[in-house]
Amino acid sequence: TQLLEQSPQFLSIQEGENLTVYCNSSSVFSSLQWYRQEPGEGPVLLVTVVTGGEVKKLKRLTFQFGDARKDSSLHITAAQPGDTGLYLCAGGRGNKLVFGAGTILRVKS
Amino acid sequence: GAGVSQSPSNKVTEKGKDVELRCDPISGHTALYWYRQRLGQGLEFLIYFQGNSAPDKSGLPSDRFSAERTGGSVSTLTIQRTQQEDSAVYLCASSLTYYGYTFGSGTRLTVV
Repeated sequence: TQLLEQSPQFLSIQEGENLTVYCNSSSVFSSLQWYRQEPGEGPVLLVTVVTGGEVKKLKRLTFQFGDARKDSSLHITAAQPGDTGLYLCAGGRGNKLVFGAGTILRVKS
Repeated sequence: GAGVSQSPSNKVTEKGKDVELRCDPISGHTALYWYRQRLGQGLEFLIYFQGNSAPDKSGLPSDRFSAERTGGSVSTLTIQRTQQEDSAVYLCASSLTYYGYTFGSGTRLTVV
C-alpha cells in the first residue's frame, strides 16, 4: 500500500490540453515536493510546498497543497510535448521523503 | 562536481554475486540518500546519511544490503549475494536542506 496515492497512473493527451495530477494521502506531511523524471535520468525537483493551502505557479504549472497538508495537485495548462515524463509527488516524513508511484504523462503533438 | 554522479550507469550481474554502486554527491551537501526504483513503482527509501551522525538504515530490505559514506562525501551501496528481485534502478540524492534533493542519474542493476 502506497502512503501517497497518485492519480491518474497514466495520462495521454494532445498538445494544448490542460491536465491535473493528484497526490493524496491519509497522513499529514510537513512538506510536499513534486519531481519530474525523464527516461534514464534521476527525478528533478519542480517545487516544494510547505504551508497548508499554499499555491505556487511556475509558468504553465500550478501546484497546490491541501489545507490539511495531506494532499496536493499539479495542474498543467496548455501542455506541450516537452512536458512528457514521469511526475512524482513526495511527502516529507522525518528526515526523508516518501514518494508516490508516479503519473506517466505523454503529450502528443 | 556540478551534480550528483553515480557509477556504473548500468550493471548486469549474475545471481549470487556481490555488487558495489557508487555515489559522488554535490560538494558541500551534508545529506545523502539512497533510493530504489522498480519498474512502474515509486522510489523506495533505503538509507540516509547526515553529516557525522549514525545513518538511518530503516529502509534497507535485508542484511544483504549495506552502505557506507567515507569522509562525509562519496557513498557506496553494496548488495551481497544478489537476487533477481534486486533488479531495479538505484538512485542517489544529496541535499543541503530538507526541502530539495538533487538526484543522480541512477545505476540500472540487472540480476540474471
